[in-house]
Amino acid sequence: DVKVTQSSRYLVKRTGEKVFLECVQDMDHENMFWYRQDPGLGLRLIYFSYDVKMKEKGDIPEGYSVSREKKERFSLILESASTNQTSMYLCASSLARLYDSNQPQHFGDGTRLSIL
Amino acid sequence: QKEVEQDPGPLSVPEGAIVSLNCTYSNSAFQYFMWYRQYSRKGPELLMYTYSSGNKEDGRFTAQVDKSSKYISLFIRDSQPSDSATYLCAMYTSGTYKYIFGTGTRLKVLA
Repeated sequence: DVKVTQSSRYLVKRTGEKVFLECVQDMDHENMFWYRQDPGLGLRLIYFSYDVKMKEKGDIPEGYSVSREKKERFSLILESASTNQTSMYLCASSLARLYDSNQPQHFGDGTRLSIL
Repeated sequence: QKEVEQDPGPLSVPEGAIVSLNCTYSNSAFQYFMWYRQYSRKGPELLMYTYSSGNKEDGRFTAQVDKSSKYISLFIRDSQPSDSATYLCAMYTSGTYKYIFGTGTRLKVLA
């Protein structure tokens, strides 16, 4: 089975802090994604990566950055946390390269982040 | 108009009922369709994955795609209290990173 592991289930930070969310997958997937999930808004794509050191902006990249130094690990960085970034953050991975026939995404259990 | 529409519910049914969950979409280019189950405070778990039109069955679950109507369904037979969760539909086109998700339907199966 695919395993996507997010380092923290719950996190509380203060406004202005730099926040790191870590995600690791064990299935050698090329693609990795970061979403945030908010009630009534569904899943919104923040960033994705289709290869090591490659990244592409999603629909809501403002205030976030990402890092992918190794294939299995994809980090989301909140440069200067703000209260409107309080949310559930979900990491996902999928097999196959960007412009081939993609496979479904597999998700981690999420990090519930509160910014005070 | 959203690309994918899904009734948020909640949908409450008695144990043993047949449940029908649905999504409509607007982009006829979508080729791959998925259903995810999400328990409270957990990530979405892939339930069903289908390509193009037709039916796919897996145990108590049946996924149905009608591309002509731009309508997909998930049927759950003999529903159990453990099926109580939020169900998300999702879809995408080959050659794109963009997976489009519905906002989810909350299902409650009453014992």
